[in-house]
Amino acid sequence: AQSVTQLDSQVPVFEEAPVELRCNYSSSVSVYLFWYVQYPNQGLQLLLKYLSGSTLVESINGFEAEFNKSQTSFHLRKPSVHISDTAEYFCAAINAGGTSYGKLTFGQGTILTVHP
Amino acid sequence: EAQVTQNPRYLITVTGKKLTVTCSQNMNHEYMSWYRQDPGLGLRQIYYSMNVEVTDKGDVPEGYKVSRKEKRNFPLILESPSPNQTSLYFCASSLSQGRQPQHFGDGTRLSIL
Repeated sequence: AQSVTQLDSQVPVFEEAPVELRCNYSSSVSVYLFWYVQYPNQGLQLLLKYLSGSTLVESINGFEAEFNKSQTSFHLRKPSVHISDTAEYFCAAINAGGTSYGKLTFGQGTILTVHP
Repeated sequence: EAQVTQNPRYLITVTGKKLTVTCSQNMNHEYMSWYRQDPGLGLRQIYYSMNVEVTDKGDVPEGYKVSRKEKRNFPLILESPSPNQTSLYFCASSLSQGRQPQHFGDGTRLSIL
């Protein structure tokens, strides 16, 4: 991908509310898409990934993301958030073809803060 | 336990004093990479390595060096650190470059005074 844009730098929500973290990418080739989560003072952990097949992918802790090729988006959603979901979330894309195959590009990150 | 280990976790040093941040992985991964994380900029790739003795520049390589003499280790070297290299650094590894997700270390926070 030439670029990955996360449209919100910070998203505050109340506990048990739904949340959507937005991610758009720009690329002249097909891409693999990822969401990573970073808890305070820790490295990034893979949350979910889209490689091919079903455009809706889910994580084990209730998050889901949908690959929309026409809108070049990969938004992350959760129907009901918990305090423990407070973290920074990064969208990332890997070029799946072309001369820059395998190049990984990260978005700027979105800080999700869940309030009681 | 599968992991990527970085050392040190925290370092405060002065301009011009050479430093090395070590990175080691125990997963027999071929691909390793270094990133720096700065507020509002996300993670930017510094250098990467597709295998032993094969390294290449990422998006922001200036002021950094790397080496890959063994598969498990990928140290990041700052020959003459400057204040603009103050940042949070992450090492990552994956089976190969491409569709494989990366495993990240816990990060090294460098402050260059």
